[in-house]
Formats: sequence, C-alpha cells, structure tokens
Amino acid sequence: GAVVSQHPSRVICKSGTSVKIECRSLDFQATTMFWYRQFPKKSLMLMATSNEGSKATYEQGVEKDKFLINHASLTLSTLTVTSAHPEDSSFYICSARVQGYSNQPQHFGDGTRLSIL
Amino acid sequence: AQSVAQPEDQVNVAEGNPLTVKCTYSVSGNPYLFWYVQYPNRGLQFLLKYITGDNLVKGSYGFEAEFNKSQTSFHLKKPSALVSDSALYFCAVRGNQAGTALIFGKGTTLSVSS
Repeated sequence: GAVVSQHPSRVICKSGTSVKIECRSLDFQATTMFWYRQFPKKSLMLMATSNEGSKATYEQGVEKDKFLINHASLTLSTLTVTSAHPEDSSFYICSARVQGYSNQPQHFGDGTRLSIL
Repeated sequence: AQSVAQPEDQVNVAEGNPLTVKCTYSVSGNPYLFWYVQYPNRGLQFLLKYITGDNLVKGSYGFEAEFNKSQTSFHLKKPSALVSDSALYFCAVRGNQAGTALIFGKGTTLSVSS
C-alpha cells in the first residue's frame, strides 16, 4: 500500500532554532501533500496544502513566514518551522494522496513531535 | 463550508460487545467520507471510506460504517470489540474536488475493557 515517511519523528531544540520536517511518499507520486498540526487530545488542524512546483496554500490564521513549505518534487515536501518558540511545540503530521486519484484516501506519516525549550 | 461532528469525546465498551462511534457531517454536494484510527504518538491509519454505492461500507480490522444521507451520518461500527481496538478515531470529510484536504472531526477515544 501507499506509504508516507516523515522525518524526524521527534525534535527537541532551543527557542529560536529553525526546524525542518521532511515528508516523503515512498511508493507513489503526490502532486499534493498536506500538513496538519495536532494539539494534545485534539483533532488535526489543516495548516497548508503543498503543491509540487508551486506555492503552498495556507489556511486562515497560519503564518506562511513562520511555517515555510517547499514541495520540490513529486515525492518530497518539507515544512520548516522558522525561529521556533515554545508555543510552536506540537505534533505535526503530513499526508499525501496518490496523484490522479481524487477519491482515494490520504495516507499519513507517523508524525513529528516538536518540543521547543 | 465542510464540517464533521463527533459528538462523543469517549466511548467505553466491554470486549466482545458491539461498538458504535458516531459521526455527522455537513458538506455541499456529494461527500467523500472517511474513518481513520490513531494510536499514541503515531500518524493516522485509514480504516474505510464512502465515495458512492452501497451505504454499508466494510473496512479494515472488522470495522464497518453506514452512510445515511437523510441523517447526514456516517457512524463507525464493529460487531465485537477487541481490547486492541482502543485508540483515537477520527471521522473526516472531503469535497469531491481534486486537491482538497480532509477535514477532521475532533476525534473520539474508544476504550475497550477486558
């Protein structure tokens, strides 16, 4: 089945550091990938839709300069949390859907636990 | 706007008993509906989907869901719960336009006791 790999699984770093999270579709191509943020015991909040070769589409209230998204190939999207602060600590999950199959489920990475000290 | 409601924060059932996790949705047009399960500190695993066709959808691990258009519901069910089914369950909806993301309900924690 379709596999999405997300790396790293956990990051602990100091306030002010920038952190890059990678999301790869291992056995399929994904024109579109999605980035979600999950707070403890809460639902997933869609942050942005990442489109290969073009700018990401951010949801209302998400700072695009804070959360930089790059989707340089059909199998890789990256999320960079710039100048991270403790309030950015969260569980970030990426997702992708097989290109050209709009009625297929989104496949999810295992998430990245980001802790900013 | 699309939305999903999961009215129960937690569902408790005894092992071997049937379980139901409720979900209602609001979407313009025909909905694409999904159920996912999440184990601690993991991503989401796909269970089943409804796109079109039979209202009763069968999915992974013995789960099924019934699409009810008149009640705008898509409840998740299993005839006999297992302790290993204990997890966080999400209902999600998506419009039928290409490139649109899933919108999730708040999640329901299922606890199955032995």
